[in-house]
Amino acid sequence: DAGVTQSPTHLIKTRGQQVTLRCSPKSGHDTVSWYQQALGQGPQFIFQYYEEEERQRGNFPDRFSGHQFPNYSSELNVNALLLGDSALYLCASSSVISKWEETQYFGPGTRLLVL
Amino acid sequence: DAKTTQPNSMESNEEEPVHLPCNHSTISGTDYIHWYRQLPSQGPEYVIHGLTSNVNNRMASLAIAEDRKSSTLILHRATLRDAAVYYCILLQGGSEKLVFGKGTKLTVNP
Repeated sequence: DAGVTQSPTHLIKTRGQQVTLRCSPKSGHDTVSWYQQALGQGPQFIFQYYEEEERQRGNFPDRFSGHQFPNYSSELNVNALLLGDSALYLCASSSVISKWEETQYFGPGTRLLVL
Repeated sequence: DAKTTQPNSMESNEEEPVHLPCNHSTISGTDYIHWYRQLPSQGPEYVIHGLTSNVNNRMASLAIAEDRKSSTLILHRATLRDAAVYYCILLQGGSEKLVFGKGTKLTVNP
């Protein structure tokens, strides 16, 4: 059983460009969350998708957008890249058993470098 | 967002027990206490969670204070593979986002 997979593993972009990151959740999971992790910091919540809708959002600008497909996979899009967007982008999947007992399974992340 | 406080770093010797503390004095009655860890160059990994009672699983034990204002993650016999950053997180009632702090970097000496 494959866990959470993310692609690509590494990416280099220049300022102003746009990027799309992809995530496939663990088998049986229907909820996908995205996190940004800057070097030396803990991950920060970007947003969460369930039933193809954004369910909850963290404190990130509208340049960050997402999508969830019928097969539960998800994309994270970032427009007008800034140097500060350089980070590890983590995808996590879960299946809601009880609203406050979700266990999230994380992928290995996509390392984005903006030059 | 409910806040947790953890030491920046801790050190242990291999095969000895490790007690990782976490303070969460502003915890509310419906907040679950979750622990995740992040090994080098990997995404975070779920370790354990609890509400009021102490919890055990194959990875670790979670001891929760009676007033719930603090908790301790216990690794019974540390191995080199346990070297990681350990995050203590409160999952707020009604919220489904994990709010990570900086965590505790655990070093395990051979």
